[in-house]
Amino acid sequence: DAGITQSPRHKVTETGTPVTLRCHQTENHRYMYWYRQDPGHGLRLIHYSYGVKDTDKGEVSDGYSVSRSKTEDFLLTLESATSSQTSVYFCAIRGQGHYGYTFGSGTRLTVV
Amino acid sequence: KNEVEQSPQNLTAQEGEFITINCSYSVGISALHWLQQHPGGGIVSLFMLSSGKKKHGRLIATINIQEKHSSLHITASHPRDSAVYICAVGLLGGSQGNLIFGKGTKLSVKP
Repeated sequence: DAGITQSPRHKVTETGTPVTLRCHQTENHRYMYWYRQDPGHGLRLIHYSYGVKDTDKGEVSDGYSVSRSKTEDFLLTLESATSSQTSVYFCAIRGQGHYGYTFGSGTRLTVV
Repeated sequence: KNEVEQSPQNLTAQEGEFITINCSYSVGISALHWLQQHPGGGIVSLFMLSSGKKKHGRLIATINIQEKHSSLHITASHPRDSAVYICAVGLLGGSQGNLIFGKGTKLSVKP
């Protein structure tokens, strides 16, 4: 199975502070995605990447930026965290395998 | 909007029962995915389907492309099957591979 890790697993931060979440993969897959999961909503796409330095916006990209300087790392940054960004964040990679997608374990972010 | 609808939203079953979770979608798809999420846990891919039927252990997934409908069946359910089951679709012609997700079905299996 593809290796994908997210860090940190949990974070509490104050409103207005910058926060960066990291997604790391060991399988050299081209496509990487950041989603957020909130009660009453399905997972929603924030940003995605289709290669080094190639990124694009998803459905809920306002307030978020991403960077991908290496194939293995996809960073999600909240420039100035707000309480509405309290959520669980999942990273995913798309591979060629049987299941198509592999998800990270999630990062629970609380903005106070 | 709700391009992917799941039913039921919540389901409680007794151990051993046969369970069916449904997913309907309104867009052209390249593939449909079933995912499992345990409480407080990560998301695990169960199936990826573009036609027909797949089976893995006690889990069976079917898809009817003409009717735009998929079902996930669990035979001989067990308390460890308690989880949220999520249906997701990849759009036909969507080269970037983004998925559209249903809101999930929360399954609770009682011993």
